[in-house]
Amino acid sequence: KQEVTQIPAALSVPEGENLVLNCSFTDSAIYNLQWFRQDPGKGLTSLLLIQSSQREQTSGRLNASLDKSSGRSTLYIAASQPGDSATYLCAVNSQGGKLIFGQGTELSVKP
Amino acid sequence: EAGVVQSPRYKIIEKKQPVAFWCNPISGHNTLYWYRQNLGQGPELLIRYENEEAVDDSQLPKDRFSAERLKGVDSTLKIQPAELGDSAVYLCASSSPRPTGISGNTIYFGEGSWLTVV
Repeated sequence: KQEVTQIPAALSVPEGENLVLNCSFTDSAIYNLQWFRQDPGKGLTSLLLIQSSQREQTSGRLNASLDKSSGRSTLYIAASQPGDSATYLCAVNSQGGKLIFGQGTELSVKP
Repeated sequence: EAGVVQSPRYKIIEKKQPVAFWCNPISGHNTLYWYRQNLGQGPELLIRYENEEAVDDSQLPKDRFSAERLKGVDSTLKIQPAELGDSAVYLCASSSPRPTGISGNTIYFGEGSWLTVV
């Protein structure tokens, strides 16, 4: 059974810092991995999708990496801003469309 | 392009009452999902549709939950009767089975229906 873990559960950093959010999964047989952002009281917004054959994806200040063999993914946020404050969720697609989510990392970027 | 639309956004009901949620997926998306998200947790899949067929409903509590996707577009999720433990956010999502470049297989979520059972 696929299990997804995110560390840390919460993170607080000063504005301008570079930071890394971690995601690990137990079954390396995945189709893809997706990172989402969730603002309080809102739904999920897709940030990056990494296919199983890819090593990383970039979008603006965000870079996500995938190491299938070790069951790990990281989301790197460069030059963090207060507007980046949100909960970040990673989700693994390992059964043809069924996403298994981690519990999320709650990020707070202080001005 | 319109995103995934859900209604109602918020619902407060007494226990044992019924409740229904509606979802309109992104146009052209054949796959539709209902997820439940408890406070401080990641979403968990309740049911997944491919067109009008429920292909994965293993996590749906069938004694009180039901869902339908008539004509393979809109979907409704019903709870009857509701229990206190059903308080959660019910998220609908959709995706296209055909890869479309970098966004292939990306799953798009609605803003959710927030249910409070008192």
